[in-house]
Amino acid sequence: AQSVTQLGSHVSVSEGALVLLRCNYSSSVPPYLFWYVQYPNQGLQLLLKYTTGATLVKGINGFEAEFKKSETSFHLTKPSAHMSDAAEYFCAVSELGFQKLVFGTGTRLLVSP
Amino acid sequence: GAVVSQHPSWVICKSGTSVKIECRSLDFQATTMFWYRQFPKQSLMLMATSNEGSKATYEQGVEKDKFLINHASLTLSTLTVTSAHPEDSSFYICSAPRGDFGNEQFFGPGTRLTVL
Repeated sequence: AQSVTQLGSHVSVSEGALVLLRCNYSSSVPPYLFWYVQYPNQGLQLLLKYTTGATLVKGINGFEAEFKKSETSFHLTKPSAHMSDAAEYFCAVSELGFQKLVFGTGTRLLVSP
Repeated sequence: GAVVSQHPSWVICKSGTSVKIECRSLDFQATTMFWYRQFPKQSLMLMATSNEGSKATYEQGVEKDKFLINHASLTLSTLTVTSAHPEDSSFYICSAPRGDFGNEQFFGPGTRLTVL
């Protein structure tokens, strides 16, 4: 069965600092991997996705993630945090293309001035 | 871009009443939609897959008689929480895959249900 582990329920950074949100997955087949962002009382917005091909994926708002099969990881990074990046971030995996997403428990990113 | 809407965005009801939540794909058709439930500060849990023209497929542990799903058209799915109780209070989110986006799922803004 597929699963996702996000290390750290909260991550705090200063504005301008590097953002690193960790995600490890388990899947019996080559997975599709996703990062979503959720602002309070809103739905999810897709940041980026990995399906096949290039393992370094660039998304919106300056975020990127690298698929590392050997480490079963898909960590999310951004070189310089902005106050507007403060939100909840979810990593998700799917073994059926875009169907039946399995989400991690989420990481709340806090950005201080 | 693709937009999925939900109505209402929030609802408060008394225990024992039923509440209907609508999920609409505004600019594309979706033969399948997904319903998720999110408890405070927790992740999304898939409840069921809504299928246009046929019965919904429920995940293990989800009461199908409690959470009635109807996929009435190619742009509308409804989730009815029957005889709601305080433990049903949650954030309900739907999503719909868009075929011309490679079936990428687009999420609605969610519905906050509070049962008193």
